[in-house]
Amino acid sequence: AQSVAQPEDQVNVAEGNPLTVKCTYSVSGNPYLFWYVQYPNRGLQFLLKYITGDNLVKGSYGFEAEFNKSQTSFHLKKPSALVSDSALYFCAVRDHPGANNLFFGTGTRLTVIP
Amino acid sequence: DSGVTQTPKHLITATGQRVTLRCSPRSGDLSVYWYQQSLDQGLQFLIQYYNGEERAKGNILERFSAQQFPDLHSELNLSSLELGDSALYFCASTVGSSGANVLTFGAGSRLTVL
Repeated sequence: AQSVAQPEDQVNVAEGNPLTVKCTYSVSGNPYLFWYVQYPNRGLQFLLKYITGDNLVKGSYGFEAEFNKSQTSFHLKKPSALVSDSALYFCAVRDHPGANNLFFGTGTRLTVIP
Repeated sequence: DSGVTQTPKHLITATGQRVTLRCSPRSGDLSVYWYQQSLDQGLQFLIQYYNGEERAKGNILERFSAQQFPDLHSELNLSSLELGDSALYFCASTVGSSGANVLTFGAGSRLTVL
């Protein structure tokens, strides 16, 4: 079965510093990988996805992610963190080849410190 | 506003009771997904419908059932409720059935079972 792991429950970063939220995956076949963000009392919002092509994917709000096949990773990055980036971030993978639903990681809470 | 509408936003009920959660997908979307978000289980996929037909099933309990109606709205029925069913229930929709499609989430229905 496909799965993703988010090794950090919590990431703290100072405002203006670069941020990284880690995600590793385990899939059979080609991975379809996604990042979503959840703000308090809100639903999940799509940030970016990797299906094929360029390993560096650019998404919403200045976020980007790098697909690394050899390390089976799909880390989320942003060059300069904002306080408003504080939220819960989820990495997700297509559940299995041919599926449409997503398997989500356990989430990483990002806190940007002013 | 994501375009996916869920009602009710909040629901408090007692053990043993039955509730119905409703979801209207984004205009033009044919596929509806239900997810449960709880503190101990994270985000769990429950079930997917595509154009009125069940397409995929996840960790959905036998006490839970769902359907998608001809107008494409969907309902999730939860019966014989237990304390452990307290969670946020999210609905998401996509236009088609490709694994590359982005899921658009509603704001969720928070269920509290007392």
